[in-house]
Amino acid sequence: GAGVSQSPSNKVTEKGKDVELRCDPISGHTALYWYRQRLGQGLEFLIYFQGNSAPDKSGLPSDRFSAERTGESVSTLTIQRTQQEDSAVYLCASSPGGGYEKLFFGSGTQLSVL
Amino acid sequence: AQSVTQPDIHITVSEGASLELRCNYSYGATPYLFWYVQSPGQGLQLLLKYFSGDTLVQGIKGFEAEFKRSQSSFNLRKPSVHWSDAAEYFCAVVNNAGNMLTFGGGTRLMVKP
Repeated sequence: GAGVSQSPSNKVTEKGKDVELRCDPISGHTALYWYRQRLGQGLEFLIYFQGNSAPDKSGLPSDRFSAERTGESVSTLTIQRTQQEDSAVYLCASSPGGGYEKLFFGSGTQLSVL
Repeated sequence: AQSVTQPDIHITVSEGASLELRCNYSYGATPYLFWYVQSPGQGLQLLLKYFSGDTLVQGIKGFEAEFKRSQSSFNLRKPSVHWSDAAEYFCAVVNNAGNMLTFGGGTRLMVKP
């Protein structure tokens, strides 16, 4: 596609349920980032994939959060046993060269945990 | 560790008025700095960036920003604001490892007719 695609655009779930958020990066982009944006706050880094290297998971807030990426394609962010504090917009970004210079962002998934 | 502070959470300006959004960073070396805009329901769009050279950087949509090392600032400016500029603006700096961006908390801009 022309841009970074995220699905679903909105997700409402009950506390304790697991959720999966999907990101389709721009074709050919080797780097993929997940960020979290809580209401009224800035973007919080979660995880970074670069090609076939081991991902940088330093931003994941707890072991309930995990992410996978198959090669240089789709990525899935999974949140297990969701809590109300997980409610946020989850943004995905990709870049062609594995760096920050040309980041393209998706429009995000709005997650609401009731 | 690097950090970015945007002191103003909300700003309201009248259409046609000038605009300045503040950004202060904390970084040991020469920073790589960015401004992004996020319109409602859309992803972040890059407005401009500074890596080196001329400290006054021109961006899209008539925006500019000035890097001032002495003040650790990278403020965003526009001489005349349009109603379509209403959005949230984020300042960001590259992290020490050079592989990702650290964002400020954002400034929400509202434009009065």
